[in-house]
Amino acid sequence: GAVVSQHPSWVICKSGTSVKIECRSLDFQATTMFWYRQFPKQSLMLMATSNEGSKATYEQGVEKDKFLINHASLTLSTLTVTSAHPEDSSFYICSARDRRDYSNQPQHFGDGTRLSIL
Amino acid sequence: AQSVTQLDSHVSVSEGTPVLLRCNYSSSYSPSLFWYVQHPNKGLQLLLKYTSAATLVKGINGFEAEFKKSETSFHLTKPSAHMSDAAEYFCVVSEFDRYSTLTFGKGTMLLVSP
Repeated sequence: GAVVSQHPSWVICKSGTSVKIECRSLDFQATTMFWYRQFPKQSLMLMATSNEGSKATYEQGVEKDKFLINHASLTLSTLTVTSAHPEDSSFYICSARDRRDYSNQPQHFGDGTRLSIL
Repeated sequence: AQSVTQLDSHVSVSEGTPVLLRCNYSSSYSPSLFWYVQHPNKGLQLLLKYTSAATLVKGINGFEAEFKKSETSFHLTKPSAHMSDAAEYFCVVSEFDRYSTLTFGKGTMLLVSP
């Protein structure tokens, strides 16, 4: 149980294009999903917290207009990197917590998306 | 805010020998702590969690960790390393905020040699 599917796993695109990454909870409902960014050989940095039916909460220093987050249902959150540039190249990981879990229960992670901007 | 310090960026062991990955935390409250493992180009898999129950926590794949409040430590151990254990390990603390936000340590790369 508690499977989170992230798609695509790998994407390469030209500078200036927009890229959408999907995060789905397959066997549970998630009121809250989280988006992280991970640079090579570094830890995960929280970018934003995605709340179903409301606006995402972004961490300090993360551009809201650059990284658009939509959490339209209890099983799907999307991250769109708009007008991507080479410096946006990174490994993006989503996670979700089962809405039935009480606080401090672990998050379930997707397998990540490797984004490469040429 | 809470914080986590992983004391070693790399740990090298031989297959069949014990594993010790060290983690210290800083918290104003009794924290919830986790260990996650990440294989190359993959997401994170939960190894074990401490949420104020038993201080010795057993996880998957033979890993365990002991919560020591007096030492503010949550070290991860395994009696005998396997080649498949080679990966990045993250010690994580859960914040006492609305979303139980996770704060990650910088990670420890475990290298296992034959």
